[in-house]
Amino acid sequence: GAVVSQHPSWVICKSGTSVKIECRSLDFQATTMFWYRQFPKQSLMLMATSNEGSKATYEQGVEKDKFLINHASLTLSTLTVTSAHPEDSSFYICSARVEGQKAAPLHFGNGTRLTVT
Amino acid sequence: GDSVTQMEGPVTLSEEACLTINCTYTATGYPSLFWYVQYPGEGLQLLLKATKADDKGSNKGFEATYRKETTSFHLEKGSVQVSDSAVYFCGERTAGNQFYFGTGTSLTVIP
Repeated sequence: GAVVSQHPSWVICKSGTSVKIECRSLDFQATTMFWYRQFPKQSLMLMATSNEGSKATYEQGVEKDKFLINHASLTLSTLTVTSAHPEDSSFYICSARVEGQKAAPLHFGNGTRLTVT
Repeated sequence: GDSVTQMEGPVTLSEEACLTINCTYTATGYPSLFWYVQYPGEGLQLLLKATKADDKGSNKGFEATYRKETTSFHLEKGSVQVSDSAVYFCGERTAGNQFYFGTGTSLTVIP
């Protein structure tokens, strides 16, 4: 089945530094990938839609300069949390769907636990 | 904007009890609807889906019926097991091909 690999699975960084999270579709191509943030009470919030070869589409309230998204190839999207602060500590999850399949569901990465100290 | 509202948890049930987790959506038209499950320590995985009105998705004893008239997609299981303990997310895929999820419902099944 379709597999989405996310790396790293956890990262601890100091306040003010930047962190890059990678999301790869391992056995399928994905022109669109999605980035979610999971809050402590399980709430899963869509942050942005990553489009291969073009700018990402951000949800209302998500700072595009804070959360930089690059979708440089059909199998890789990256999320960079710039100048991270403790309030950015969270669980970030990427997902993708197989192109060309009607009503294709999302396949999720295992998430990245970010802790900013 | 489009959103999904699902029953807040946590839900605690005894083994073999009946489960219903309510879910309603707001997207217009005919979005595709999904239930995802997140087992402890694992990532999200698809449980079932439905793509048009009156469709019934089913998997692992769980069922959900796409009700256009009530914009609902409630998750049901007649007899839960301890292994069903997880967090369940209701989701919709809109006409704009974006996926939105509810807040998640934590289910704990006790022997």
